[in-house]
Amino acid sequence: DVKVTQSSRYLVKRTGEKVFLECVQDMDHENMFWYRQDPGLGLRLIYFSYDVKMKEKGDIPEGYSVSREKKERFSLILESASTNQTSMYLCASSFAGGLGNEKLFFGSGTQLSVL
Amino acid sequence: AQTVTQSQPEMSVQEAETVTLSCTYDTSESNYYLFWYKQPPSRQMILVIRQEAYKQQNATENRFSVNFQKAAKSFSLKISDSQLGDTAMYFCASRPPGTASKLTFGTGTRLQVTL
Repeated sequence: DVKVTQSSRYLVKRTGEKVFLECVQDMDHENMFWYRQDPGLGLRLIYFSYDVKMKEKGDIPEGYSVSREKKERFSLILESASTNQTSMYLCASSFAGGLGNEKLFFGSGTQLSVL
Repeated sequence: AQTVTQSQPEMSVQEAETVTLSCTYDTSESNYYLFWYKQPPSRQMILVIRQEAYKQQNATENRFSVNFQKAAKSFSLKISDSQLGDTAMYFCASRPPGTASKLTFGTGTRLQVTL
């Protein structure tokens, strides 16, 4: 069974801390994505990566960075966490080389609270 | 840029009944892909159904079907014979062609299936 695994289901951090959210997929997917989910706002794309060491900004990249050193792992980094980054973070992956109708496989999300 | 609008934040349906979730979108692309994703209480998003804009025939997956009206830029989801397990958030999404293109989500509709 295919899997996208996010390292933490719940996370509580202090303002100003550096936060790492990890995501690992076992499907050999080229594309990986980080979304943020907030009530009433749906899912918004933070960053995505279509290959190792490649990254593209999404719609709301400010305050975030990413790292993809290995194909299976895509990390989201909050350099200095702020309270407005309290949210649900969803990682997803998909095959590349298609037409764009490939489905995304999602992790179970990390609910991050910044106090 | 693509935008996706879901105007029904919450809906309720009785078991075994039929319910339709609305979605409208805006895009300047001539071809694109449309999706409905389901997020159950477990939080893991799964693909329900997808439609390619150049195909006139409405997509169907078991109890789930879409009403795709290209001219009106409307993509509604019909769930027939609703089951308790259909209780979830439902997100409509669109994506232009290209494997590295971005998937844009709507704000979601929370569906509650009752006895």
